[in-house]
Amino acid sequence: DGGITQSPKYLFRKEGQNVTLSCEQNLNHDAMYWYRQDPGQGLRLIYYSQIVNDFQKGDIAEGYSVSREKKESFPLTVTSAQKNPTAFYLCASSITGGSGDAYEQYFGPGTRLTVT
Amino acid sequence: EDQVTQSPEALRLQEGESSSLNCSYTVSGLRGLFWYRQDPGKGPEFLFTLYSAGEEKEKERLKATLTKKESFLHITAPKPEDSATYLCAVQAFGAGRGKLIFGQGTELSVKP
Repeated sequence: DGGITQSPKYLFRKEGQNVTLSCEQNLNHDAMYWYRQDPGQGLRLIYYSQIVNDFQKGDIAEGYSVSREKKESFPLTVTSAQKNPTAFYLCASSITGGSGDAYEQYFGPGTRLTVT
Repeated sequence: EDQVTQSPEALRLQEGESSSLNCSYTVSGLRGLFWYRQDPGKGPEFLFTLYSAGEEKEKERLKATLTKKESFLHITAPKPEDSATYLCAVQAFGAGRGKLIFGQGTELSVKP
């Protein structure tokens, strides 16, 4: 079965601790993305990566970090610098193509992070 | 500034009562518009991609259409299992490759 896995489904942390969310895909997609979803708001892009060993900041990157050492994996670290980290985090992937092309993104099941 | 607005925020229908969801967008140039379905506590599920005005796509009871300023998701004779939040997203020329801008979603509830 091809797809995207995120673990864990629920994560609880104390304020001041860094935490890493896992995202793995076996769709052979080059591009991967991290989004944050809060109640009543649309998905907001945190970081994205079009190719291994390269990534770009999205709209709300402050307090987050990522790495892309393997095509299949794109872990997200929520650092203690993130002021309001409690949210639902979604990972996605897509193929990449020509500069004029738009391709759908496929999402994982999400990780709900609660920081107290 | 690129922007996506969905309306209504919430929609309650009786089973079999057809209706439409709206997605209005303001972008410098549209690469593609995407519709997703999201069930509570789960990741969004891809439904459709539309690329140019006049394009239409269908899947079971759902039909998506696109104009130069908005997209509609028409739901014909909905069933309770169609209850979900429907998300619209656009990808614009000039934005980073692959970057999607999402609307806030329309929460659809279909009662038997």
